[in-house]
Amino acid sequence: GAVVSQHPSRVICKSGTSVKIECRSLDFQATTMFWYRQFPKKSLMLMATSNEGSKATYEQGVEKDKFLINHASLTLSTLTVTSAHPEDSSFYICSARREETQYFGPGTRLLVL
Amino acid sequence: GQQLNQSPQSMFIQEGEDVSMNCTSSSIFNTWLWYKQDPGEGPVLLIALYKAGELTSNGRLTAQFGITRKDSFLNISASIPSDVGIYFCAGSRLKGGATNKLIFGTGTLLAVQP
Repeated sequence: GAVVSQHPSRVICKSGTSVKIECRSLDFQATTMFWYRQFPKKSLMLMATSNEGSKATYEQGVEKDKFLINHASLTLSTLTVTSAHPEDSSFYICSARREETQYFGPGTRLLVL
Repeated sequence: GQQLNQSPQSMFIQEGEDVSMNCTSSSIFNTWLWYKQDPGEGPVLLIALYKAGELTSNGRLTAQFGITRKDSFLNISASIPSDVGIYFCAGSRLKGGATNKLIFGTGTLLAVQP
């Protein structure tokens, strides 16, 4: 099956700092990747669609200047949480498209103090 | 954001029992996917359905794409302790769940007692 990795798996940062999360498709190329956010005991909520070589498409209510997405290659998309605040603490999960299916990464737990 | 209605919200069963959960929507979907998520991990794809009426199996798992395109169900037969986790349905409105964004269900928490 297709493998998607995320780095880091966990990150703790101080309020006001920026955090970058990487999503990589390890054994396939992905022109489209997706970023989700998940709160405890809740379902996945799509934040944005990341397209290689073009601007990301953000869902309603998601601040594009707050959550910067860069999809610079066919195997890497990054999500940068800028000027992080405690309310940004969450589980962030990416997925990558391969043919007709989305494959998910293992997630990144962000804690902002 | 929009979510699909998934039921039951949680299930507590004995090992060996069969399990059934379903997902419904007020609008039509062209693709239904079922995922399982373990604590602290990303969702893992279990079954993908692309055609109305389609019935697909993956080992002890069976899922069906409803004829109306507004629902789907997942059955697990002879449950075992490692089936524990949260099961999510997800729908897409374009053919192939990958070409358009997925709408996720609210999840079903499954607990299996040995």
